Amino acid sequence: DVKVTQSSRYLVKRTGEKVFLECVQDMDHENMFWYRQDPGLGLRLIYFSYDVKMKEKGDIPEGYSVSREKKERFSLILESASTNQTSMYLCASRTFRTGGSYEQYFGPGTRLTVT
Amino acid sequence: TQLLEQSPQFLSIQEGENLTVYCNSSSVFSSLQWYRQEPGEGPVLLVTVVTGGEVKKLKRLTFQFGDARKDSSLHITAAQPGDTGLYLCAGANSPGLNNLFFGTGTRLTVIP
Repeated sequence: DVKVTQSSRYLVKRTGEKVFLECVQDMDHENMFWYRQDPGLGLRLIYFSYDVKMKEKGDIPEGYSVSREKKERFSLILESASTNQTSMYLCASRTFRTGGSYEQYFGPGTRLTVT
Repeated sequence: TQLLEQSPQFLSIQEGENLTVYCNSSSVFSSLQWYRQEPGEGPVLLVTVVTGGEVKKLKRLTFQFGDARKDSSLHITAAQPGDTGLYLCAGANSPGLNNLFFGTGTRLTVIP
């Protein structure tokens, strides 16, 4: 069964703290993604990675960085957390299907609160 | 940024009723996906449609991709409380990875 896991379901951090969100997939997918989800704004792409040690900025990368040292693991880092980074963070991995379409699988999410 | 508009934003219906959710764009997509997200969980992929005019059925759920591949609909027959959740459509339109665009979702509540 396809599985994407995230290290924490709920996290509370203080402003200025460094925050690590970990994501692991067991499907041998090359492509992994980090999104944040906010009411009324939908899912917004923060960063993605198409291979080990490769990363690309998404639509809202400011204030975030990522690390992909192993194929199965993709980490999101908040260097200095701020209250406007309070959100639901979703990790996903993706595979390509025959015919050119995609199947994207999400983790359960981490609800981060920055106080 | 490709805009995918979903309607309605919120829908509350009685168990047993039928409903349709719409996903519209001015852009053409090579494929379109529907997800359901339950509270506190990540989205779960329901279906992928790739051909204009394609219709796919998943038990009581019927998905249709518009002929011009700019829109899609999700029809649920005889809704059940277990159908409650946030329904998201997502369209892909070009090679490359930063090409899957999500709608803002339709929040469905089915009242027993």
